[in-house]
Amino acid sequence: DAGVIQSPRHEVTEMGQEVTLRCKLISGHNSLFWYRQTMMRGLELLIYFNNNVPIDDSGMPEDRFSAKMPNASFSTLKIQPSEPRDSAVYFCASSLRDRGLGYEQYFGPGTRLTVT
Amino acid sequence: KNEVEQSPQNLTAQEGEFITINCSYSVGISALHWLQQHPGGGIVSLFMLSSGKKKHGRLIATINIQEKHSSLHITASHPRDSAVYICAVRFNSGGSNYKLTFGKGTLLTVNP
Repeated sequence: DAGVIQSPRHEVTEMGQEVTLRCKLISGHNSLFWYRQTMMRGLELLIYFNNNVPIDDSGMPEDRFSAKMPNASFSTLKIQPSEPRDSAVYFCASSLRDRGLGYEQYFGPGTRLTVT
Repeated sequence: KNEVEQSPQNLTAQEGEFITINCSYSVGISALHWLQQHPGGGIVSLFMLSSGKKKHGRLIATINIQEKHSSLHITASHPRDSAVYICAVRFNSGGSNYKLTFGKGTLLTVNP
């Protein structure tokens, strides 16, 4: 298995542009987490999906951020319009929710976003 | 308040030394994770545990539920162990037990 796949790995864009980050889950997993990592705030949960349904989006900073899961294995995180303060590393993590401990999360390699 | 505290914040060691990184949390948990992140790199899950002790190669993770404390040990440390180690906790919070609360991380540098 290739693990969690994220693209692009690096993105540099100008303020005001739309940015789309992509994530492919591990086959058979049913939960997806989008995180943002900055020096100031560390890792923060943005949104959590289970079986394609957004369960918790309380971490999404504002309406400029949106996330979708059009199918069971793929998700996008969109920022429109982007701002310099959105510069961070964005990780997605995939998990198989089960009745036991569950939720062991497998992280993707991250997308380093720079907004100038 | 659900909090996770790690110590030390920075740790420098010589190759071969025994390393301990500590994590304390404020209230009851369903699971604790130890993660590793190399500089500029991705995040790897090292352990997920809810009681006792787990071992993988030179890495050992322990947790004491009563004391709300976990430790990550590295035996015979090596320069390739240099990374940030992050403790993350899933608190017992009803329907949101999927949510991880992260410590600020411990930057470990192992010198040859």
